[in-house]
Amino acid sequence: DAGVTQSPTHLIKTRGQHVTLRCSPISGHKSVSWYQQVLGQGPQFIFQYYEKEERGRGNFPDRFSARQFPNYSSELNVNALLLGDSALYLCASRLRPGLGGNEQFFGPGTRLTVL
Amino acid sequence: AQTVTQSQPEMSVQEAETVTLSCTYDTSESDYYLFWYKQPPSRQMILVIRQEAYKQQNATENRFSVNFQKAAKSFSLKISDSQLGDAAMYFCAVIQGAQKLVFGQGTRLTINP
Repeated sequence: DAGVTQSPTHLIKTRGQHVTLRCSPISGHKSVSWYQQVLGQGPQFIFQYYEKEERGRGNFPDRFSARQFPNYSSELNVNALLLGDSALYLCASRLRPGLGGNEQFFGPGTRLTVL
Repeated sequence: AQTVTQSQPEMSVQEAETVTLSCTYDTSESDYYLFWYKQPPSRQMILVIRQEAYKQQNATENRFSVNFQKAAKSFSLKISDSQLGDAAMYFCAVIQGAQKLVFGQGTRLTINP
């Protein structure tokens, strides 16, 4: 079975532009989370979606938005890009939310560089 | 708010030796899970081991084991018989409720042949 896939692998944008990152979860997984990992730091939670509804949001500005589609894939959108948005964006999927400890499986990430 | 602290930015160990990575955390939750993730240069975050807070017995996975001290809010990772393939960034994380993993800053582990 395919793992979590993300596209594109790398992306270069300029300040003020908009970007869309895509994630396909593992088959059967209905929950997708997005994390931002700035170089040299641990990942920071951005969003969680489950059954197409937002279930959690981290401390990120409204320039960040996301959605989940009926096939459970997800998009992360960032508007008005800033230099500080340069980071590795990780997508993680799991069967469902909840403290059952069901594992979050991570994708390989999208490396976004803002010039 | 939950926080996770990894006080060792870098560690190195000789191949076949044992190394311990430190992690402390803070949470007001009574029920939570703790994790160690490995991130090699390929960037893929891989789960190494997890610990349920309500279990007193320390988790083990082959060469990887943890020392979980709930009262001290400490969660260290021991890697035995270190191998070259263990070289990576290691992140300690705690899951808050049903939502998000909270990660530490990471420890870069180097294996010397």
